Amino acid sequence: DGGITQSPKYLFRKEGQNVTLSCEQNLNHDAMYWYRQDPGQGLRLIYYSQIVNDFQKGDIAEGYSVSREKKESFPLTVTSAQKNPTAFYLCASSIAYGSLYFGAGTRLSVL
Amino acid sequence: QKEVEQDPGPLSVPEGAIVSLNCTYSNSAFQYFMWYRQYSRKGPELLMYTYSSGNKEDGRFTAQVDKSSKYISLFIRDSQPSDSATYLCAMSDSRETSYDKVIFGPGTSLSVIP
Repeated sequence: DGGITQSPKYLFRKEGQNVTLSCEQNLNHDAMYWYRQDPGQGLRLIYYSQIVNDFQKGDIAEGYSVSREKKESFPLTVTSAQKNPTAFYLCASSIAYGSLYFGAGTRLSVL
Repeated sequence: QKEVEQDPGPLSVPEGAIVSLNCTYSNSAFQYFMWYRQYSRKGPELLMYTYSSGNKEDGRFTAQVDKSSKYISLFIRDSQPSDSATYLCAMSDSRETSYDKVIFGPGTSLSVIP
């Protein structure tokens, strides 16, 4: 089945620790995105990538980093510089003029 | 003022009721409008997509856009318990090749009681 797989479903971060959220898609989509979802707020774009080896900052990129070494994969690292990382993180992908497909999300909490 | 606003709810209705979910927006350049449904602990999925003003119907769902009032609505007829979810509106000013310009509303939580 084609889709977007995010792992893990739940993740806990200790103070000063970097953590990496995985996102893999087998839809052959060129574009991939990372969003952050907080209660009472709309989805906010962290980073996006339209082609391999290229990515752009979204509205709230500070404290996050990404890589796009393969078309299928777009991992997100939440660094220790992100002081308020507790949120639901959603990965998505799309083709030009197509719909946006989301993964099931990763819930990150701080210990 | 936020660019896109939605009443967060929760909205609770009996099974079979007609549900009206709404978004208001401030950017008059928006012309592409979407509704997503998000079940608890899941990613959103696209329900409806409309361009400019007017109505679009798909089964029990009707999307309505009133650009003069900067107001969009999603109507659900004969609501079912399986419709219980959070509904997000989303919009953009252009049908670009990527979604980086799309603005999402915060979502309205809906519960349909059997």
